[in-house]
Amino acid sequence: RKEVEQDPGPFNVPEGATVAFNCTYSNSASQSFFWYRQDCRKEPKLLMSVYSSGNEDGRFTAQLNRASQYISLLIRDSKLSDSATYLCVVNIPGNQFYFGTGTSLTVIP
Amino acid sequence: DGGITQSPKYLFRKEGQNVTLSCEQNLNHDAMYWYRQDPGQGLRLIYYSQIVNDFQKGDIAEGYSVSREKKESFPLTVTSAQKNPTAFYLCASTGFPSSYNSPLHFGNGTRLTVT
Repeated sequence: RKEVEQDPGPFNVPEGATVAFNCTYSNSASQSFFWYRQDCRKEPKLLMSVYSSGNEDGRFTAQLNRASQYISLLIRDSKLSDSATYLCVVNIPGNQFYFGTGTSLTVIP
Repeated sequence: DGGITQSPKYLFRKEGQNVTLSCEQNLNHDAMYWYRQDPGQGLRLIYYSQIVNDFQKGDIAEGYSVSREKKESFPLTVTSAQKNPTAFYLCASTGFPSSYNSPLHFGNGTRLTVT
């Protein structure tokens, strides 16, 4: 079983739309959670950490549900510049970081 | 500015040759990682190191070797035993053990092509 499962998409949405991505993880002892953004042929870059109480950064909202072992990312008012692949990342005991396969988002004019 | 430097950005090798990818960080991070990414796929963990002179195998360590002689450096050798070495290789680091919830910081990667 994979440590992290993520719907690969693709998600094609119009500008201004709201889009949500989900990710599930298998290790109940997972310690920390993150969302990364990866542009084509580039390295992943941290979008935001995910805290137990949920957290928001501008148009982006991250949620964590430890009971169901999933994390989510909500993007409001999508911009063309949001087009990228979004990776969920889980840190398990032993300080190993596991990545989902990524969800591809294309925002259409 | 602090960061992680990977070199070279592009690397071409003939099948059967060993090749070493460089990764250097000046973030004073204890933990360093090597990942491999294939087209359309997620990142897979090759090796990681929590402290100097110590490292552990990740999920796909076969055909690779590493060393961690200095805190700043974590080179990866792709040996001729690696069956499908062509990939995008990413090095990352994070603060450990005191930095709970510390994210990974990435270098800009090395694209290795073996023909």
